[in-house]
Amino acid sequence: GAVVSQHPSWVICKSGTSVKIECRSLDFQATTMFWYRQFPKQSLMLMATSNEGSKATYEQGVEKDKFLINHASLTLSTLTVTSAHPEDSSFYICSARDPQGINGELFFGEGSRLTVL
Amino acid sequence: RKEVEQDPGPFNVPEGATVAFNCTYSNSASQSFFWYRQDCRKEPKLLMSVYSSGNEDGRFTAQLNRASQYISLLIRDSKLSDSATYLCVVSRSNDYKLSFGAGTTVTVRA
Repeated sequence: GAVVSQHPSWVICKSGTSVKIECRSLDFQATTMFWYRQFPKQSLMLMATSNEGSKATYEQGVEKDKFLINHASLTLSTLTVTSAHPEDSSFYICSARDPQGINGELFFGEGSRLTVL
Repeated sequence: RKEVEQDPGPFNVPEGATVAFNCTYSNSASQSFFWYRQDCRKEPKLLMSVYSSGNEDGRFTAQLNRASQYISLLIRDSKLSDSATYLCVVSRSNDYKLSFGAGTTVTVRA
């Protein structure tokens, strides 16, 4: 089946540094990818919709200058957490839809756990 | 009010038992409904879509009640491997933006 891969799975960084997370669709082309964030014992919250070749659409309350999204190709979207702070520590997950898939199922990446010291 | 609400549980059940739980959604315009399973520190994985007529997949049965705006999941003959957090997921339209519940934790004990 369709696979979405994220990298890195784990990242620990110092406060003030920037961290880039990659999301790849491995065997299908995804014009749209979604980025979510999940804090412990809470639901996944949609941060932004990543559109290939155009600007991302951010959800209310998500700072576009802090969470930079680039969707330069049909198989890759990146999320960069700029000037990360401890409160940005979270589980970041991307998802993409296989346009050839059944019922429009969204496939999720493995997630990237960010810890900011 | 949250768009999707779930009883967080945990539901602790013995192997072989039946466990059921619901999820409510606030937006009556919601069109698509899913149950996802999430294991600890892992990404969510689709368990099953939920159709208006209700549907079954092996030991799992999902129901949708549009009038009362809730969906349910029933697990029969629970296995140890069913231990996970079950996420209720709702989509308002066909743009594939999903709203997630916080999850219901199920623990199946031997």
